[in-house]
Amino acid sequence: GQQVMQIPQYQHVQEGEDFTTYCNSSTTLSNIQWYKQRPGGHPVFLIQLVKSGEVKKQKRLTFQFGEAKKNSSLHITATQTTDVGTYFCARIGNFNKFYFGSGTKLNVKP
Amino acid sequence: DAGVTQSPTHLIKTRGQQVTLRCSPKSGHDTVSWYQQALGQGPQFIFQYYEEEERQRGNFPDRFSGHQFPNYSSELNVNALLLGDSALYLCASSEGQGSYGYTFGSGTRLTVV
Repeated sequence: GQQVMQIPQYQHVQEGEDFTTYCNSSTTLSNIQWYKQRPGGHPVFLIQLVKSGEVKKQKRLTFQFGEAKKNSSLHITATQTTDVGTYFCARIGNFNKFYFGSGTKLNVKP
Repeated sequence: DAGVTQSPTHLIKTRGQQVTLRCSPKSGHDTVSWYQQALGQGPQFIFQYYEEEERQRGNFPDRFSGHQFPNYSSELNVNALLLGDSALYLCASSEGQGSYGYTFGSGTRLTVV
């Protein structure tokens, strides 16, 4: 189908450790977007990746789009307690329908 | 520059009732999409409105309907509420089809009892 799968579902890290979440699709993606949702909050747009093999950085966050455009990853270096939340990938599918992954919930222990 | 505003923030309804949720998009955005987010799940696409017409629809029954007004604001209506309709309802606005990301509102928490 047009869903995107995310792993892991949960991740608990010690502050200062790195974190990575992966987004996988069975079909080629035209683009992938990443969102962060803080506990009790709403999704906030982080970035969009469009090109094969694209890598974008936002401070400690590194976003990558696979060469085959079927997977993407978000890596956070040296996590902080402010990174706590659920990270979603999302794709625009056929007929411009928007599909979110199930999310990876990150907990950072101080 | 106002972001996306939704009202009400919380709502409690009885099974079988009808509900209307409202959304004002971010200034400069002309497209509004609605999502249902159950606890611990990712947002599920309900439908999208552009130029006052429903352009795309997710896998939701006809009990879910909507409207977009000339000022781009939008309403989500749900009839014959079921307990399973309890969720956070998110409105997101974008320029066009959302290729540059969506701006989400804070949502309306609907509880059906």
